[in-house]
Amino acid sequence: DAGITQSPRHKVTETGTPVTLRCHQTENHRYMYWYRQDPGHGLRLIHYSYGVKDTDKGEVSDGYSVSRSKTEDFLLTLESATSSQTSVYFCAISEDGSPGGYTFGSGTRLTVV
Amino acid sequence: RKEVEQDPGPFNVPEGATVAFNCTYSNSASQSFFWYRQDCRKEPKLLMSVYSSGNEDGRFTAQLNRASQYISLLIRDSKLSDSATYLCVVRVTGGGNKLTFGTGTQLKVEL
Repeated sequence: DAGITQSPRHKVTETGTPVTLRCHQTENHRYMYWYRQDPGHGLRLIHYSYGVKDTDKGEVSDGYSVSRSKTEDFLLTLESATSSQTSVYFCAISEDGSPGGYTFGSGTRLTVV
Repeated sequence: RKEVEQDPGPFNVPEGATVAFNCTYSNSASQSFFWYRQDCRKEPKLLMSVYSSGNEDGRFTAQLNRASQYISLLIRDSKLSDSATYLCVVRVTGGGNKLTFGTGTQLKVEL
């Protein structure tokens, strides 16, 4: 399997606090993605990256920012967490230019109280 | 209207049964199609790509109808281990190699 890890796996945080989730890959893939998964909505794209320092918004980007300073790391930050951001967050990677699918990390279960 | 629509199920079937899932997509610019499998509290994993001519992988057969913007997945001789949620996924022409996911169809295979 592709090397992709997410940290932390679980986190409980308070409303209004900043939170950063990390995605790390060892595959040297160009594309990296952050999704959130909620009941009834499926997986929704938050942000994605197509290279170092190259990022773009997805369909549910409000309240989130990302950074990619190295090929292997893609960080997702919730500047001021809200209860509506309680979700399971998945990172995914994709090969350069491949029309194929993604490989996902194991997910981060975030609870905002 | 959602870009990718699926019947959420659950589909409860006996072991050995044949079951079919359907999916429709709204964007005619969609160019690549996939089925993913997601076990409870796990990450989605690619099950198979879907090609215009239809394709088979063991007990699994995928079909694509571009004219009707319709994708299907057929599972023959269902196993208990097939119990999972099956996600229909499309990729639209454009930058970012982005995939759009359906909400998934839940399958429960029973003894």
